[in-house]
Amino acid sequence: GDSVTQTEGLVTLTEGLPVMLNCTYQSTYSPFLFWYVQHLNEAPKLLLKSFTDNKRPEHQGFHATLHKSSSSFHLQKSSAQLSDSALYYCALRNNYAQGLTFGLGTRVSVFP
Amino acid sequence: GPKVLQIPSHQIIDMGQMVTLNCDPVSNHLYFYWYKQILGQQMEFLVNFYNGKVMEKSKLFKDQFSVERPDGSYFTLKIQPTALEDSAVYFCASSSGLGGRREQYFGPGTRLTVL
Repeated sequence: GDSVTQTEGLVTLTEGLPVMLNCTYQSTYSPFLFWYVQHLNEAPKLLLKSFTDNKRPEHQGFHATLHKSSSSFHLQKSSAQLSDSALYYCALRNNYAQGLTFGLGTRVSVFP
Repeated sequence: GPKVLQIPSHQIIDMGQMVTLNCDPVSNHLYFYWYKQILGQQMEFLVNFYNGKVMEKSKLFKDQFSVERPDGSYFTLKIQPTALEDSAVYFCASSSGLGGRREQYFGPGTRLTVL
């Protein structure tokens, strides 16, 4: 079956520094990849999505490139802000299943 | 942006009782989902619902679980009877269509504690 691996449980960094969150996946089919962000006491919200190999969607300063050769979809931002403190989930879905498959999530804490 | 609401935000019940979790999906969405997240674990798909029917369910969707959306009102998840292992946060989601690239909009979750 499908699976998503996020290796970091917690990332702490100082405001202004770059951040990268790792996401690798396994899927029988060619999947669609998503990053969701969940701020405290709020709903998970879609941050980025990608369906095309080597394309780099961007949103709110974040970007992620889907690399099918390495089954990766790492999330990056060049300069973290205090408001980026949240829980980040990588997820995948393929055309043969209705539900999303999630990783464990990475909690990001940005300090001044 | 579009919002999914979930009522209540927290629910505490005794094992063996029945519980109903309510979801108010995005107004023009037709596809509805429930996910379960046990503390410290990943969010896992439970069930997908469309046009009055369950389209797909995972092995986590036990016989004690049922879903419905009577007359376009709340989309509900009912657990009867509840067990200790049902303690989790339950997230509702909705989407406008099917297909891998369709965005699912999530609610903030209902934290269910079974004592």
